[in-house]
Amino acid sequence: EPEVTQTPSHQVTQMGQEVILRCVPISNHLYFYWYRQILGQKVEFLVSFYNNEISEKSEIFDDQFSVERPDGSNFTLKIRSTKLEDSAMYFCASNREITGELFFGEGSRLTVL
Amino acid sequence: QQQVKQSPQSLIVQKGGISIINCAYENTAFDYFPWYQQFPGKGPALLIAIRPDVSEKKEGRFTISFNKSAKQFSLHIMDSQPGDSATYFCAATPFNRDDKIIFGKGTRLHILP
Repeated sequence: EPEVTQTPSHQVTQMGQEVILRCVPISNHLYFYWYRQILGQKVEFLVSFYNNEISEKSEIFDDQFSVERPDGSNFTLKIRSTKLEDSAMYFCASNREITGELFFGEGSRLTVL
Repeated sequence: QQQVKQSPQSLIVQKGGISIINCAYENTAFDYFPWYQQFPGKGPALLIAIRPDVSEKKEGRFTISFNKSAKQFSLHIMDSQPGDSATYFCAATPFNRDDKIIFGKGTRLHILP
């Protein structure tokens, strides 16, 4: 069964460093998302991406964040200068049609020291 | 800001009992209401979903009840099993497909063996 894959599963970084989280969405999906989940809390929307551009972003997604689809398969989230409060699980999701049925990856845990 | 309010925050149910999780939304701009199930260390996965033109949807032991006039919907898990222990998120998808999906804060369900 097709699935969304994410790498790395866990990354530890120093505050101020750049981090890139990678995602490979399901191949025939057109809509891509990044969500964040701080430990024990709800899933928070960061950004949605369609047709090679951001379609919506939340207030969390400030200038330190960027997304890119550099080729036909990868979808990346970059955090330019990490802060302690960026420590969270980051989930990539995709769907083929813009319905509520999102397919999530297993997440990338980011720990900022 | 649109919200989906979910309760309870945590729930403990005996094996074989009925687990009930409730959600309420604040406006009528949604037309698709999915429930996601998340196991520790995993991404959320779609469990069951409903559209507001029906009042109930059942899939196996899982049932969504939808009350359009009250703007409420709930998840019922019949004959709850220890394997159902997980965090459950309700969500709402807006009519305007340019708007983001709204998640509830989650309910941590624990089924006692």
